[in-house]
Amino acid sequence: AQSVTQLDSQVPVFEEAPVELRCNYSSSVSVYLFWYVQYPNQGLQLLLKYLSGSTLVESINGFEAEFNKSQTSFHLRKPSVHISDTAEYFCAVSPRSGNTGKLIFGQGTTLQVKP
Amino acid sequence: DGGITQSPKYLFRKEGQNVTLSCEQNLNHDAMYWYRQDPGQGLRLIYYSQIVNDFQKGDIAEGYSVSREKKESFPLTVTSAQKNPTAFYLCASNLAGGPYNEQFFGPGTRLTVL
Repeated sequence: AQSVTQLDSQVPVFEEAPVELRCNYSSSVSVYLFWYVQYPNQGLQLLLKYLSGSTLVESINGFEAEFNKSQTSFHLRKPSVHISDTAEYFCAVSPRSGNTGKLIFGQGTTLQVKP
Repeated sequence: DGGITQSPKYLFRKEGQNVTLSCEQNLNHDAMYWYRQDPGQGLRLIYYSQIVNDFQKGDIAEGYSVSREKKESFPLTVTSAQKNPTAFYLCASNLAGGPYNEQFFGPGTRLTVL
């Protein structure tokens, strides 16, 4: 079985400051890793994913995440945030083997960007 | 445009009534999912279906029912047996057997029990 822990429920930060949203997972098998973003009263949108290869993955809007196998982490970072980044962010995993198509989500982190 | 539609966006229900939430996708995805979202609890899986005419319970199926008569549609019924149905409901889909399992989400339905 897999589980995902997002260590911070809320992260307040000032505009143009850097931010890190933490995600740790537990799994007995290798996993694929995902970050989703949810703006208020909307569905989730995929932000980025780690499938294989380089452990550093980037999104088109400046976010990046690094897969650390030894620490079982997949933290999300952005060097300079904008007001428009205010949203809830979810980390998720999916097992590579015995795959049922299901995702296991963390509890979410609310990023609050202040002017 | 390909995507997932959910209707209605807002739904109000009196206690003791059943209500059905609609989810339709034109992505030609095999698998569909229903999640419930409550503040601070992330997304919890209610039911999922990997093929037409077949579905499985998720982690919190009690008080809910689904059907999958067509590939494009996966309606969710919230029954009167669901003790606390007020929540935001999200539908998702992906390719069954796909190696990456990226799920695509609809815009959600907010259900309020009066």
